[in-house]
Amino acid sequence: KNEVEQSPQNLTAQEGEFITINCSYSVGISALHWLQQHPGGGIVSLFMLSSGKKKHGRLIATINIQEKHSSLHITASHPRDSAVYICAVPYGGATNKLIFGTGTLLAVQP
Amino acid sequence: GAGVSQSPSNKVTEKGKDVELRCDPISGHTALYWYRQSLGQGLEFLIYFQGNSAPDKSGLPSDRFSAERTGGSVSTLTIQRTQQEDSAVYLCASSAGTGAEKLFFGSGTQLSVL
Repeated sequence: KNEVEQSPQNLTAQEGEFITINCSYSVGISALHWLQQHPGGGIVSLFMLSSGKKKHGRLIATINIQEKHSSLHITASHPRDSAVYICAVPYGGATNKLIFGTGTLLAVQP
Repeated sequence: GAGVSQSPSNKVTEKGKDVELRCDPISGHTALYWYRQSLGQGLEFLIYFQGNSAPDKSGLPSDRFSAERTGGSVSTLTIQRTQQEDSAVYLCASSAGTGAEKLFFGSGTQLSVL
């Protein structure tokens, strides 16, 4: 069993749809990262959160520490949101020595 | 600098050759991380630096891999006697501290070992 699991692995949506990507982890953590990687592009940190909810523009990230689960939501999705979304958690302690999920490939069609 | 800079952006080498990859983190960032992204393995941690010291080298896949950081700034990742399985994108990231802090990634070095 992977220590960080994401679902779905692939997701196709129509422009404007509400999107949810899930991440479950098996280790105790201090914080969880959501990252975005565009095709052929670099990685951008979207969120780092340790409790509750964070919002940035159309993106919302939530985490439930007790259930070891986090979700990334995209409201009013747009083709430019098409990317791979990756969640990652620290191996242990408050560091950025991260274990990465396998990513969710999102394609938003116009 | 404004962001994390990596060079070269692409490197093609022959099996058995040594390569050096460079990372220039955001000025003032204490922590520097090297990760690798390969087709079969996804993203994986290699090593991190706190200042010039490397408290954790546990992710380095073999003793052919080494890294150093000087002046609390630039870091180089060296791969000796490269093998085809070393082909991957090598990513560097930095953060202001060594705790769980927001990471800023470079655009990576695509290494191809022929």
